[in-house]
Amino acid sequence: AQKITQTQPGMFVQEKEAVTLDCTYDTSDQSYGLFWYKQPSSGEMIFLIYQGSYDEQNATEGRYSLNFQKARKSANLVISASQLGDSAMYFCAMRELLSGYSTLTFGKGTMLLVSP
Amino acid sequence: DVKVTQSSRYLVKRTGEKVFLECVQDMDHENMFWYRQDPGLGLRLIYFSYDVKMKEKGDIPEGYSVSREKKERFSLILESASTNQTSMYLCASSLVQSNEKLFFGSGTQLSVL
Repeated sequence: AQKITQTQPGMFVQEKEAVTLDCTYDTSDQSYGLFWYKQPSSGEMIFLIYQGSYDEQNATEGRYSLNFQKARKSANLVISASQLGDSAMYFCAMRELLSGYSTLTFGKGTMLLVSP
Repeated sequence: DVKVTQSSRYLVKRTGEKVFLECVQDMDHENMFWYRQDPGLGLRLIYFSYDVKMKEKGDIPEGYSVSREKKERFSLILESASTNQTSMYLCASSLVQSNEKLFFGSGTQLSVL
């Protein structure tokens, strides 16, 4: 079963508008972490934001914020005031235990295109 | 700045060849990972290592092996490359800490013909 679900294969947004990228997760652990990464066309994976399961406040990093709804098991990424440079693939990921060790499991990604 | 270096950006190999993908990190990280990325499938974990000479299977280890003889270097080995191993391979490293943020290399696009 998929542990990280990103239901939007692609999203379009106009420059300066806000956009929300959806992510839902499945875990029975009490302690876990959620991440968002950005992958531009160059291929490099860039860390954007992290949310711990015990963090009461939603994480924010500049124009990025994570809308964490624990009961719904969702961790949506909100990008405010989109810029052309935000066009990229975005991956949601969850820290989980594999063979007793922490690993990151990724979703399938959402392609974001920002138009002028 | 943190740096994870993958030896090749593009690689073309023939079916049946033995292929080595090399990854080096300069951050003294304990943990290293190999993922493959395919369109529509996201990133899938192949193998990971939490210490020198230590390795653990990820979600899709079949057809791969790894080697970690030194802390900074983690190699992915395709013993006999097949066409279904054509993919983008991403190496990553991290510290042993609670948020487990991964630092990635720029990837190796492997084509097996």
